[in-house]
Amino acid sequence: DTGVSQDPRHKITKRGQNVTFRCDPISEHNRLYWYRQTLGQGPEFLTYFQNEAQLEKSRLLSDRFSAERPKGSFSTLEIQRTEQGDSAMYLCASSSTALSSYNEQFFGPGTRLTVL
Amino acid sequence: EDKVVQSPLSLVVHEGDTVTLNCSYEVTNFRSLLWYKQEKKAPTFLFMLTSSGIEKKSGRLSSILDKKELFSILNITATQTGDSAVYLCAVGSGNTGKLIFGQGTTLQVKP
Repeated sequence: DTGVSQDPRHKITKRGQNVTFRCDPISEHNRLYWYRQTLGQGPEFLTYFQNEAQLEKSRLLSDRFSAERPKGSFSTLEIQRTEQGDSAMYLCASSSTALSSYNEQFFGPGTRLTVL
Repeated sequence: EDKVVQSPLSLVVHEGDTVTLNCSYEVTNFRSLLWYKQEKKAPTFLFMLTSSGIEKKSGRLSSILDKKELFSILNITATQTGDSAVYLCAVGSGNTGKLIFGQGTTLQVKP
């Protein structure tokens, strides 16, 4: 399967714990995005990477959230000191500026986080 | 503040009906408008629209964009139970291409 993959698919944690999610984009896609989706809502943009550079972060992204894409391939999203309000589906998407339709983003299956 | 608004929020139809889903937007640095289908998993891409008045079509689905009136519609003809899903409208914004999503329209197609 050459689509976007995410790991883990589900994560249950206790409030105050740290969690880390991984995203592997489609090979050779230089753009990578993280979104968060809560029940009944559309995804909300969190952050964006072009290659290894993090070029935009949403105001929604508090200081407890950090993301990296160290070699311009896979990315990690870490949440420190989790809160119950962090419970959501975390979606990763990738796209390529080599394509004519550069905004066409392909989504991974998501990581569902539950904070108890 | 950028926003994308979809209507209706939910819709129940019977197989064979035709449905029209609406999406209006107010987004600075508009680049494109995209439609996705979401069935209890990640959104899957349907269409991307960048020019007004040009219809995109795939099987029973079609979509069109009006950049003057800032809206788009997604039509589904001869609906099937497999069309039941949440349909998301998103606008690509700025040089980063980040997507600003609407709330989604939940479509239920009854046999």
